[in-house]
Amino acid sequence: GNSVTQMEGPVTLSEEAFLTINCTYTATGYPSLFWYVQYPGEGLQLLLKATKADDKGSNKGFEATYRKETTSFHLEKGSVQVSDSAVYFCALSDNASGGGADGLTFGKGTHLIIQP
Amino acid sequence: NAGVTQTPKFQVLKTGQSMTLQCAQDMNHEYMSWYRQDPGMGLRLIHYSVGAGITDQGEVPNGYNVSRSTTEDFPLRLLSAAPSQTSVYFCASSYGGLPNYGYTFGSGTRLTVV
Repeated sequence: GNSVTQMEGPVTLSEEAFLTINCTYTATGYPSLFWYVQYPGEGLQLLLKATKADDKGSNKGFEATYRKETTSFHLEKGSVQVSDSAVYFCALSDNASGGGADGLTFGKGTHLIIQP
Repeated sequence: NAGVTQTPKFQVLKTGQSMTLQCAQDMNHEYMSWYRQDPGMGLRLIHYSVGAGITDQGEVPNGYNVSRSTTEDFPLRLLSAAPSQTSVYFCASSYGGLPNYGYTFGSGTRLTVV
């Protein structure tokens, strides 16, 4: 079956530090990969995505590259801000299963805390 | 632009009670789904629908029913609430009938069963 593994944290960094949140996956087909962000008290928001190998998704200074050879989709940001404090979820949609209509498989989420 | 609207935001139920969590979207999305979020578990799919009149089970469907009579609405029914159903519930929809386009999530319903 499909699975997503990510560091759970909490991850605590100082403002302007470099961020990496690791994400690895197992899938039966050729998945699309996503990062979602959840701010306190809110629903999840799509942060970025990549639909095929070597694609790079980027948004709001965050980047992640789809690495098929290492089955990874690590999230990075060069200089984090206090406003980036949130929970980050890595997820996949397995295109082998009828286009992924049976939903996204999520990691457990990484709680990121940025201190001023 | 309302997006995905979930009601209520908070609910407390007694064991054995039934209730319906409402979800509505105004983006003409074909695909809608329900997830529950539990600490340390991430999000798990309960039920999903690829269009009006079509529903299917996800990873954790037991104790829940859904129906999809219109494109806009996808209610989730708890038939007989149990403490194990204490969770935060999220409704999500997607353009094009596939989650590959990215989901739009509602803001969640926090349910406590006592």
